[in-house]
Amino acid sequence: GENVEQHPSTLSVQEGDSAVIKCTYSDSASNYFPWYKQELGKGPQLIIDIRSNVGEKKDQRIAVTLNKTAKHFSLHITETQPEDSAVYFCAASIGSGNTGKLIFGQGTTLQVKP
Amino acid sequence: ETGVTQTPRHLVMGMTNKKSLKCEQHLGHNAMYWYKQSAKKPLELMFVYSLEERVENNSVPSRFSPECPNSSHLFLHLHTLQPEDSALYLCASSWEWGTDTQYFGPGTRLTVL
Repeated sequence: GENVEQHPSTLSVQEGDSAVIKCTYSDSASNYFPWYKQELGKGPQLIIDIRSNVGEKKDQRIAVTLNKTAKHFSLHITETQPEDSAVYFCAASIGSGNTGKLIFGQGTTLQVKP
Repeated sequence: ETGVTQTPRHLVMGMTNKKSLKCEQHLGHNAMYWYKQSAKKPLELMFVYSLEERVENNSVPSRFSPECPNSSHLFLHLHTLQPEDSALYLCASSWEWGTDTQYFGPGTRLTVL
């Protein structure tokens, strides 16, 4: 079946450094790629998303890049801060049009050391 | 807060109990979702409702029974659960079903003894 692979499963960086999380997907029809951040005791919260008609999107310290040919997309966090510590999930839509559903990656636990 | 609330936040139940999880969204969305989140596994989609009609049932055992009485409320009725059903159950909503942004509630941490 369709799946999304996410790497690494854990990532530890020093405050101020950059963090990169990568995901690959299998459905060539996927056209929507959100990233969620989940803090302890809370549900996932959308931090950025990208659709297949663009290759890159940026929002302050967070950016997402998409390579449709290679079927992978990445989350980039610059100037990391301790409050960025959380579990990050990527997702990709499967199925066509707006009736597609989201398939999630396994999650990356990011630790930012002060 | 995301505008999606879930109750209870924690639930402990025996295998013979019957309980219900409740989700409410204050966003005016038309689609609502139930997900299961287990340790070290991706989020698993369980059910999707669009305009109060179930549009997705992801091979979920019949001991989980969803109910959507209106577009703002979603329930998950539980009965005769197994210990492996222990997990975080997340509710989400979106404007339309599919690739619209989904907003998640805080989840219900369920423990089955």
